[in-house]
Amino acid sequence: DIQLTQSPSFLSASAGDRITISCRASQSISIYLSWYRQKSGKAPELLIYAAATLKSGVPSRFSGRGSGTDFTLTISGLQPEDVATYYCQQSYDIPYAFGQGTNLEIK
Amino acid sequence: VQIVQSGAGVNKPGAPVKISCKTSGYTFTSYSIHWVRQAPGQGLEWMGWINPGNGNTKYLQRLQGRVAFSTDTSASTAYMQLSSLRPEDTATYFCMTSAPGGWDYWGQGALVTVSS
Repeated sequence: DIQLTQSPSFLSASAGDRITISCRASQSISIYLSWYRQKSGKAPELLIYAAATLKSGVPSRFSGRGSGTDFTLTISGLQPEDVATYYCQQSYDIPYAFGQGTNLEIK
Repeated sequence: VQIVQSGAGVNKPGAPVKISCKTSGYTFTSYSIHWVRQAPGQGLEWMGWINPGNGNTKYLQRLQGRVAFSTDTSASTAYMQLSSLRPEDTATYFCMTSAPGGWDYWGQGALVTVSS
């Protein structure tokens, strides 16, 4: 099975900051990677698919990069509503595992 | 597109649970339904999927034998049954559907608590 390792597990930053979350796959997954944001008590929301494509309606401060085994999610200009846990997920091969999550706090 | 789940509640160890996932606003048989669960305070775990068009399923290997997905195409509804419940099955269970191009919709989740 393909494993996804996210880092960091926890991140504290100030409003307006630029932050980057990393997701590393245990084997190449091409660009079959999505990023989700999950606010407390809610279902996850898709932000980025195909590693770098922003879902329609998602603010442009979110961006994704990468291919193969190394991927990043960047938020440029943190907003208070970005407080959430962020997950990567691969859809290259079953099981479609998620990373363990990155808990983002705004100082 | 709307997805509404039901079946949340408290269940005894060893009992089964069945969660329903009623969809609307799209052609139910066109896209697979995935099931994802989340234990309290933990991350997301992909459980598997079902293709409502042909009934094909894929399950997370460690759940194989205890989990079963099914659909009622006339009601545009998917079901997840988990048998022989254990305390570690306590989780919020989500259904979701997606398609290439960022088309991605989730149910609100159903909390299943396993307790005697």
